[in-house]
Amino acid sequence: AQRVTQPEKLLSVFKGAPVELKCNYSYSGSPELFWYVQYSRQRLQLLLRHISRESIKGFTADLNKGETSFHLKKPFAQEEDSAMYYCALKIGNTGKLIFGQGTTLQVKP
Amino acid sequence: DTGVSQDPRHKITKRGQNVTFRCDPISEHNRLYWYRQTLGQGPEFLTYFQNEAQLEKSRLLSDRFSAERPKGSFSTLEIQRTEQGDSAMYLCASSLGGQGLYGYTFGSGTRLTVV
Repeated sequence: AQRVTQPEKLLSVFKGAPVELKCNYSYSGSPELFWYVQYSRQRLQLLLRHISRESIKGFTADLNKGETSFHLKKPFAQEEDSAMYYCALKIGNTGKLIFGQGTTLQVKP
Repeated sequence: DTGVSQDPRHKITKRGQNVTFRCDPISEHNRLYWYRQTLGQGPEFLTYFQNEAQLEKSRLLSDRFSAERPKGSFSTLEIQRTEQGDSAMYLCASSLGGQGLYGYTFGSGTRLTVV
């Protein structure tokens, strides 16, 4: 079955603390994974994709095929990182995405 | 081009009525997707178009739902005989090809409330 699991509904940290938002997936094909973010009162937008292997706003995510994970990390959280984060798995060549349930990141001052 | 536009932003309708939503994608994007999002859940795929062709429909999309994309430009999503379970945020997204370098561009969504 194709599935994306984000085990934490809410992650609350203090400013400057490290952050790790967990994402696990189940997919028989070659996975292509994304993180999308939704800030308050804004639309859903792409944060990063594993293929590009880049760091966006200080966030990184490494695809671990052995553990079927794609955790999102940032060494020092900022208050402006507070948002809803969704992990998503691309299925086949259609561009269709399967999203996880999302994790709310709350960064406290 | 100001991105993906969806209209209306909010729609309240009585159970049993028909509703239609519109999505205007980014003009050069050939793919258009509809998703549905309920409270506490991530977006769920409904259907997608490549140009004017509807290439895939989710099993979530009952026969009360229909989507079109005439001439490969804007798209409409119609729900007939609405039910309370249809209450959700309906999201539209577009992309150039299967994701490209930039992923989807999402619209702000249409929030449907069926009373």
